[in-house]
Amino acid sequence: SQQGEEDPQALSIQEGENATMNCSYKTSINNLQWYRQNSGRGLVHLILIRSNEREKHSGRLRVTLDTSKKSSSLLITASRAADTASYFCATDHIQGAQKLVFGQGTRLTINP
Amino acid sequence: EAQVTQNPRYLITVTGKKLTVTCSQNMNHEYMSWYRQDPGLGLRQIYYSMNVEVTDKGDVPEGYKVSRKEKRNFPLILESPSPNQTSLYFCASSFQGQGYSGYTFGSGTRLTVV
Repeated sequence: SQQGEEDPQALSIQEGENATMNCSYKTSINNLQWYRQNSGRGLVHLILIRSNEREKHSGRLRVTLDTSKKSSSLLITASRAADTASYFCATDHIQGAQKLVFGQGTRLTINP
Repeated sequence: EAQVTQNPRYLITVTGKKLTVTCSQNMNHEYMSWYRQDPGLGLRQIYYSMNVEVTDKGDVPEGYKVSRKEKRNFPLILESPSPNQTSLYFCASSFQGQGYSGYTFGSGTRLTVV
């Protein structure tokens, strides 16, 4: 399966701490994306990193990509209660087809 | 507001009774797709469409049909629903090519087939 795998499956931290989630995949990609899902709701696109990029920032989010290790990480700095959600990595493997393959997600809980 | 609109949000139906879940986007996106989300299985693609009148199977197309007669709409049809199609369904859309920056998802349709 091309499916990405997130690690850890669940993460619980205190408000203000940083949260790091990891994603590994098996076959070469065009790009990798991270999405957030609040309980039972639609997924929200957070950030896209292309295969020729190594790091990308968006506000409190930092994404890294290591294509040699087929892995990515999402760092959320200075976490807030509103960051409580599930986070999914999604990989785009086929040029032009935009077929995203989602991992199982990391459930992040921010404790006040 | 740019969005993907799915209807209905919740649906309980009986086995074998045909139903349609609608999906509409107002962003002029070429690409549209349907996913189902199940505990332990994650999100799996059902069907996708790269433009009007162009559709193709995803990973789990059995028991579903789609059509793309207009650019903005991409309905999901269950001709004869079965209990194993009980799931949370999401429609998504995106630009193609240079404009591509990830998917926009709808809010989801929670379907229960009894």
